[in-house]
Amino acid sequence: KAGVTQTPRYLIKTRGQQVTLSCSPISGHRSVSWYQQTPGQGLQFLFEYFSETQRNKGNFPGRFSGRQFSNSRSEMNVSTLELGDSALYLCASGPGTGGETQYFGPGTRLLVL
Amino acid sequence: QKEVEQNSGPLSVPEGAIASLNCTYSDRGSQSFFWYRQYSGKSPELIMFIYSNGDKEDGRFTAQLNKASQYVSLLIRDSQPSDSATYLCAVNGGGSQGNLIFGKGTKLSVKP
Repeated sequence: KAGVTQTPRYLIKTRGQQVTLSCSPISGHRSVSWYQQTPGQGLQFLFEYFSETQRNKGNFPGRFSGRQFSNSRSEMNVSTLELGDSALYLCASGPGTGGETQYFGPGTRLLVL
Repeated sequence: QKEVEQNSGPLSVPEGAIASLNCTYSDRGSQSFFWYRQYSGKSPELIMFIYSNGDKEDGRFTAQLNKASQYVSLLIRDSQPSDSATYLCAVNGGGSQGNLIFGKGTKLSVKP
């Protein structure tokens, strides 16, 4: 079974721009969660989608948004980029029943200049 | 706010020794506990999960859970240089929610 895929793998943007990241979960998985990883803060939860609905949201500003499509693929958008948004953005998928294991994709490394 | 605490390390052990990694969590209602391994520049890889008090063994890895003490540990027997990585402890956010709360990780170095 193919793993979680994320595109693009690397991205360079400038302050004020916006960016869209994409995630395709493991086949059959209905839950997709997004995380931001930085050296200082570690792995922080952004939001979780299940059956096209946002089920849970972390403590991030409204510039961070996401959505999930009927095929469970998910996108994450960051508007008005700031230097502090430079990070590794990770997507994880799971069956969606709650409390189960999650499997991570390779991540998208975003650099904001 | 739910928190997961780990010693940042680095934890250095000689090849062949047992590495012991520890984690505490704040939410007494947490039900699911996970250990991930992350090599430098890579994404986290699931090693073990544990739901019940006691020990769970998988090959060279043993996860230990003590809910009364709100403590999770990971033992790596016969440590190899390839085990050198950052180990992340994660706790499920609770209920039907799928988010994980991560510790900041312990960096393990296994010396040949």
